[in-house]
Amino acid sequence: DAGITQSPRHKVTETGTPVTLRCHQTENHRYMYWYRQDPGHGLRLIHYSYGVKDTDKGEVSDGYSVSRSKTEDFLLTLESATSSQTSVYFCAIRSTGLNYGYTFGSGTRLTVV
Amino acid sequence: QKEVEQNSGPLSVPEGAIASLNCTYSDRGSQSFFWYRQYSGKSPELIMFIYSNGDKEDGRFTAQLNKASQYVSLLIRDSQPSDSATYLCAVTRGATNKLIFGTGTLLAVQP
Repeated sequence: DAGITQSPRHKVTETGTPVTLRCHQTENHRYMYWYRQDPGHGLRLIHYSYGVKDTDKGEVSDGYSVSRSKTEDFLLTLESATSSQTSVYFCAIRSTGLNYGYTFGSGTRLTVV
Repeated sequence: QKEVEQNSGPLSVPEGAIASLNCTYSDRGSQSFFWYRQYSGKSPELIMFIYSNGDKEDGRFTAQLNKASQYVSLLIRDSQPSDSATYLCAVTRGATNKLIFGTGTLLAVQP
C-alpha cells in the first residue's frame, strides 16, 4: 500500500501499560507523521519527523513519545496508556515534488481498557 | 474557531447530481490545500490538491480555491454511490508544511 505499513493493525491493552506502534516505509521519504483520528475531532497531529533522530511535537503530543533511528521506521510510544488514548492511529509519509500530499498507512486501532 | 472547518453533513445527493463540499480555513499563510476521501474503516486517500486561486479539474472532480475568502471547495460531477465517503479538507501550516485537517463531511449518494 504505497510502501507504508503499520503494525499492529489492532491492539487491546490495559490502562497504565506502555504501548509501541510501528510505522515502516520503503520509499526513503524524509518526512513521517503520526495522527490520531477520533469522532468529532478528525485527524490530529501527534508528532512528526523530518529526518533520522529529528522529531517535533504536534498539537496533541502529551502522553506520547516518538523515535526515528532509521529512515524507514517511525515508532510511536504511549508511555502509560489511558482510556483517552483509545483511538485509530495513522502514520503518514510526505511525498516530494509539486504534489507533497501525504500517503497514509492502513491504521492501528488501539483500545485501552 | 477551528483552523479548518467543514460541515459534518451528511450531505445527501441523488446519483448523477453534482455534490458540492466546502471548507474554510483561518490561517492566511496556508499555501497548499488538499482533499482526501475516506471510506468507513479505511485510511484517507488523496484525491485532489490545489495551490493557486481558481479551479483545478481532474476527471469528475474540481477543486476551487479562493484565498481572499479563505475558502476551498470540491465539486463531484455525476456523483456515484461509490463516491459515498467522508471527504477531508486539509491545509498546510508553518515552514514544515504540516497538514491540518478538518473533521470531514460525510457524503451519501443515493441510487
